[in-house]
Amino acid sequence: EAGVAQSPRYKIIEKRQSVAFWCNPISGHATLYWYQQILGQGPKLLIQFQNNGVVDDSQLPKDRFSAERLKGVDSTLKIQPAKLEDSAVYLCASSLSGPEAFFGQGTRLTVV
Amino acid sequence: AQSVAQPEDQVNVAEGNPLTVKCTYSVSGNPYLFWYVQYPNRGLQFLLKYITGDNLVKGSYGFEAEFNKSQTSFHLKKPSALVSDSALYFCAVSEPGGSYIPTFGRGTSLIVHP
Repeated sequence: EAGVAQSPRYKIIEKRQSVAFWCNPISGHATLYWYQQILGQGPKLLIQFQNNGVVDDSQLPKDRFSAERLKGVDSTLKIQPAKLEDSAVYLCASSLSGPEAFFGQGTRLTVV
Repeated sequence: AQSVAQPEDQVNVAEGNPLTVKCTYSVSGNPYLFWYVQYPNRGLQFLLKYITGDNLVKGSYGFEAEFNKSQTSFHLKKPSALVSDSALYFCAVSEPGGSYIPTFGRGTSLIVHP
């Protein structure tokens, strides 16, 4: 079974630029999560989708972050404009039903 | 609101010795509990989970964890540590029903010395 795919693996941008991350969940998984993991901290949930609807985005900085899940499959997370404090690993995860989530390898973002 | 505490930033153990990585949690109802491991430059890998039933849960790579409701703990254990077990370990909790959103602890770095 293929795992959660994320791209790119690494991205370096200057502050105030925009960036987008892509995630392809495990086939058939209805739930998709985006987490932000800052160095030295545990992952923090940014947004959760159930199919193509948003379940929770209470911790998403909506003035600069946006996410969508087209047709309930792939998802993109966008940051515009980026700030230095956005430097982190962005993890995508999916689950079939219930709480067990499967994670992708993540995208490491460095904002300079 | 649910939360997880991992009181140790780092655990050091000699190869062949038993290891314990501590986790305590706070939820309003019955918890779902998880352990994940993260190797350098890799995503989180699922180790084990407690949903219901036997308090001792066995998982991947010889790891196990014991759910203790009275102490609200879910410590990760392994009888004999390997150098290859060196990694970052995360405990997570979610509440049943609704969205099942997992909340993660800040992680514990396990270092196994040869």
